[in-house]
Amino acid sequence: DAGITQSPRHKVTETGTPVTLRCHQTENHRYMYWYRQDPGHGLRLIHYSYGVKDTDKGEVSDGYSVSRSKTEDFLLTLESATSSQTSVYFCAISGDNQPQHFGDGTRLSIL
Amino acid sequence: AQSVTQLGSHVSVSEGALVLLRCNYSSSVPPYLFWYVQYPNQGLQLLLKYTSAATLVKGINGFEAEFKKSETSFHLTKPSAHMSDAAEYFCAVSYNQGGKLIFGQGTELSVKP
Repeated sequence: DAGITQSPRHKVTETGTPVTLRCHQTENHRYMYWYRQDPGHGLRLIHYSYGVKDTDKGEVSDGYSVSRSKTEDFLLTLESATSSQTSVYFCAISGDNQPQHFGDGTRLSIL
Repeated sequence: AQSVTQLGSHVSVSEGALVLLRCNYSSSVPPYLFWYVQYPNQGLQLLLKYTSAATLVKGINGFEAEFKKSETSFHLTKPSAHMSDAAEYFCAVSYNQGGKLIFGQGTELSVKP
């Protein structure tokens, strides 16, 4: 949707393992975002990027890191996954003065 | 700090009835406001947006929302509900269109036949 691909779409892993989620866009948009969705909380911003190698923290950034080495890719890494990071993760993109468009999400379960 | 409150985590209406989903925001500056819809196992789709032009905003699928500054509200309405409207709806606020979004908790809309 809107040229955004998230991978993997589903993942089950164990506590303590590293996990990397990928967001790929074909729109050449400047801004990219990672959110997590949990019942009763809506979506909360984890990290965002406003250009290659330019990133900043969001509301719930503890335990997460990101990288953006190319315009089209924005990676979210959980260095050592915990059960509290079980969630659905959404990537979003936007251009200048444009609303955000979302990917289809990655369902991550940490056992 | 900006925040968004959606009144009612679950709303149920009959097919053909009025849909009213409530959203109130707090913002120290004029906000940009959005409504998104999420169907099961899908991402969020933009329904409509308020960007300081007309206060009554029309979106897709027959939805509209009215920005009321005096009430700090941006309620979503649709005159006649359809079964296909069953989904979760999120209100969100930002300082600009492409900026960080602050989401409400979401309202799940059920439509009864």
